[in-house]
Amino acid sequence: QKEVEQDPGPLSVPEGAIVSLNCTYSNSAFQYFMWYRQYSRKGPELLMYTYSSGNKEDGRFTAQVDKSSKYISLFIRDSQPSDSATYLCAMDAGGTSYGKLTFGQGTILTVHP
Amino acid sequence: NAGVTQTPKFRILKIGQSMTLQCTQDMNHNYMYWYRQDPGMGLKLIYYSVGAGITDKGEVPNGYNVSRSTTEDFPLRLELAAPSQTSVYFCASRPQGAGNEKLFFGSGTQLSVL
Repeated sequence: QKEVEQDPGPLSVPEGAIVSLNCTYSNSAFQYFMWYRQYSRKGPELLMYTYSSGNKEDGRFTAQVDKSSKYISLFIRDSQPSDSATYLCAMDAGGTSYGKLTFGQGTILTVHP
Repeated sequence: NAGVTQTPKFRILKIGQSMTLQCTQDMNHNYMYWYRQDPGMGLKLIYYSVGAGITDKGEVPNGYNVSRSTTEDFPLRLELAAPSQTSVYFCASRPQGAGNEKLFFGSGTQLSVL
């Protein structure tokens, strides 16, 4: 079993749709949960960051973490063509993990006008 | 402010050749990492370093070597290139300490071994 499982998609939605991206994980030591966005031929960029369980909102983006279920989600409201990218969930145990991230497989999202 | 710079951007190697992927950062970050990204497989950690002179293996270190002689530079060496090393390689860095979990990535090196 992989430590982090991400529904690989791909996902294609019309402009304005609500998008839901999800990851499950098996390592209960993970404390820091991130979503990275990666445009074609570019390096990943941090989109959302959450420590422990709870919700975090930033504009059209909402990240949710449920540590009891080992499940994290990213919601995108009013999706735009510029949101078309690969979305990667990533997790870190903190402490002596020295910032080593474990990534999901990535979900390719296409938002069409 | 350049951030994390990787060179070259593209490279084609023949089986058995060697090469060094260069990575440099100008943010004075202690922690640096090398990841590889295969299609549909996410990013996998090859090696990492917590400071000059200190390196350690990640999840997929076989076939690679690293060194960290300065805070700024973290080169990745492929000694005997194999087709299984065809991938996109990303270097990343971050500051030390809690609350600094954001990784800063370079733009990647696309490597093909034929």
